[in-house]
Amino acid sequence: DIQMTQSPSSLSASVGDRVTITCQATQDISNYLNWFQQKPGKAPKLLIYDASNLETGVPSRFSGGGSGTDFTFTISSLQPEDIATYYCQQYDGLPITFGQGTRLEIK
Amino acid sequence: EVQLLESGGGLVQPGGSLRLSCAASGFAFSSYAMSWVRQAPGKGLEWVSGISGSGGTTYYADYVKGRFTISRDHSENTLYLQMNSLRAEDTAVYYCVKARKGEVITFSFDWWGQGTLVTVSS
Repeated sequence: DIQMTQSPSSLSASVGDRVTITCQATQDISNYLNWFQQKPGKAPKLLIYDASNLETGVPSRFSGGGSGTDFTFTISSLQPEDIATYYCQQYDGLPITFGQGTRLEIK
Repeated sequence: EVQLLESGGGLVQPGGSLRLSCAASGFAFSSYAMSWVRQAPGKGLEWVSGISGSGGTTYYADYVKGRFTISRDHSENTLYLQMNSLRAEDTAVYYCVKARKGEVITFSFDWWGQGTLVTVSS
């Protein structure tokens, strides 16, 4: 199985800060990686697909990068509505696996 | 607009069975692979099972293989998950999830339903 290691597991930042989350795969997954946002009590929402492509309707302050085994997710200027848990997901091989999540809080 | 509406969750005793349904609309259902993903209370996301657009190929995580069966009905635009021999560790919100691309078997997800809670307890 491909393991996805996300870091940090939690993060506290101020409004306007630049925030970066990393996701590392245990083997090369090319760019077969998504990033999701999940707010409390809600279903996950796709933000970034194929590692670096912004889903339609998602604000441009969100971005993704990387390929192979190392990936990043960045919020360029943190907004209060960005408070959520963020997950990476690999879809290069079965079973599909997710990172353990990064809980983002406002400082 | 894509809509995925799960139903069928509830409280069931260990060893019992439950069938989840997911009514899909707003897209060409038979062209897209679909999956079930679960989330135990306070925990992360865990893929459970997937099915090709045609329904001819199914995939399972090891921890549900032999106990769960995924299927789909194109006349009703509905995805199912039959869950047998349920265990306490199967307790979770179960989400119905759509693949982002049609006409291929991919488990790059985009749309998620609101989820249905399954609680396995005596």
